[in-house]
This record gives sequence, C-alpha cells and structure tokens, in this order.
Amino acid sequence: EAGVTQFPSHSVIEKGQTVTLRCDPISGHDNLYWYRRVMGKEIKFLLHFVKESKQDESGMPNNRFLAERTGGTYSTLKVQPAELEDSGVYFCASSQSYRHIYGYTFGSGTRLTVV
Amino acid sequence: GQQLNQSPQSMFIQEGEDVSMNCTSSSIFNTWLWYKQEPGEGPVLLIALYKAGELTSNGRLTAQFGITRKDSFLNISASIPSDVGIYFCAGLRNTNAGKSTFGDGTTLTVKP
Repeated sequence: EAGVTQFPSHSVIEKGQTVTLRCDPISGHDNLYWYRRVMGKEIKFLLHFVKESKQDESGMPNNRFLAERTGGTYSTLKVQPAELEDSGVYFCASSQSYRHIYGYTFGSGTRLTVV
Repeated sequence: GQQLNQSPQSMFIQEGEDVSMNCTSSSIFNTWLWYKQEPGEGPVLLIALYKAGELTSNGRLTAQFGITRKDSFLNISASIPSDVGIYFCAGLRNTNAGKSTFGDGTTLTVKP
C-alpha cells in the first residue's frame, strides 16, 4: 500500500508570504495528525483529524495556521502570513481507527524555511 | 505543556558497541513508543510497549516500559552503521485519543 505522502518536500518562503502544505494519508486511515519539529527540539503535536472533523487542535500555535481535511481524505495546512519562527519540519501521520496505540505511519515531512 | 526528557541528546559510538538511551516524564503514560528517523524520512515505529514492566525486543533492539509508567528505555546491541539516525520516544495516554507526546530525540552516530 502507498504510504503517507507529503508535498512539497521543501519550501523556502519570505516572511509574510503564505504557504500551503499537503498530506495524503494512507487510504482508509480515519486518523490524520500534523506534527512539527523545530530546530532539533521535540516533535510537537499540532492537531488531529478524525475523518473530516478536528478532534484536537490544541497544538496549533496561533490563528495564522489553518488546517483542513476535505471529505476526510487529504489534508492541507496553511500558514498565513508566515513568520521566521514557523521554520521547521512539518510531519503528517495517519492511523486506522482506534489503532493509534500501535503507532502512526509518518510521511517524510515538509521542510519549511521562512527567510 | 507535557514534556518528555530524552537522554542522551547525542551519542558517538564504535560499530559493535551497545547503546542505551532513555526517556523520562513527570507524568504517567499508558503506552510508550520508540521511533527511528533516518535523513530525509519520517519517523518509523520500532517498538510499542503497553504494560508497566514490559520488556519487548525487535531484533537487536530491546525496550522496556518503566514500572512507574513515567519512563522507558531503549537498548541497541552490537550496533552497526545502519543504526545511524535519530531515535524518538513517545508517550500516549488513554484520554488523549491518539495524541502522542514526543521527546527531543537521541542522535546516534556509529563509526565503522
């Protein structure tokens, strides 16, 4: 089966611009997660979708970040306007219903650099 | 927010040596997971632990769920060059509906 796909793999944008990251989870995985790793720190939770609904968005840094999951399939994470501190690697992960305790399948990540 | 303290931050070892790393928390977790991330890839699950005191192996890797439920350990025996990468611990609580709390990672370098 295809894995979790993220694109772009890299993005360099200027402060103030808008960037949209996309994630295609494994087909049939209801749970979709966004995480971020900044500057060698921990992988930090951003939000969790169950199908098209936001189950938990407690990790979203501020209202410059907007996540959507259209029809419960792919998801997008938009940053508008981007700030320097938004730089980092953004990971998407997915899991089947109730199977998150068995771990996620992660995508390769999008490395975002804001200059 | 909840933090996991993972140590050591980095390790430089010789091929063939054994490796130990650990993860501690001030709070209890119901599940502990260990992931490995290689350059340009996302983290990949290595071992999952579900019960206090549990000891689980996956090839040369062995992980333990601490009896206090506030810590976990990962050991790698007879390291080889392909063990290079960043190892992350992660904890889950039953009440968190899938949200994992990750450590900062341990970067492992193996010299041939």
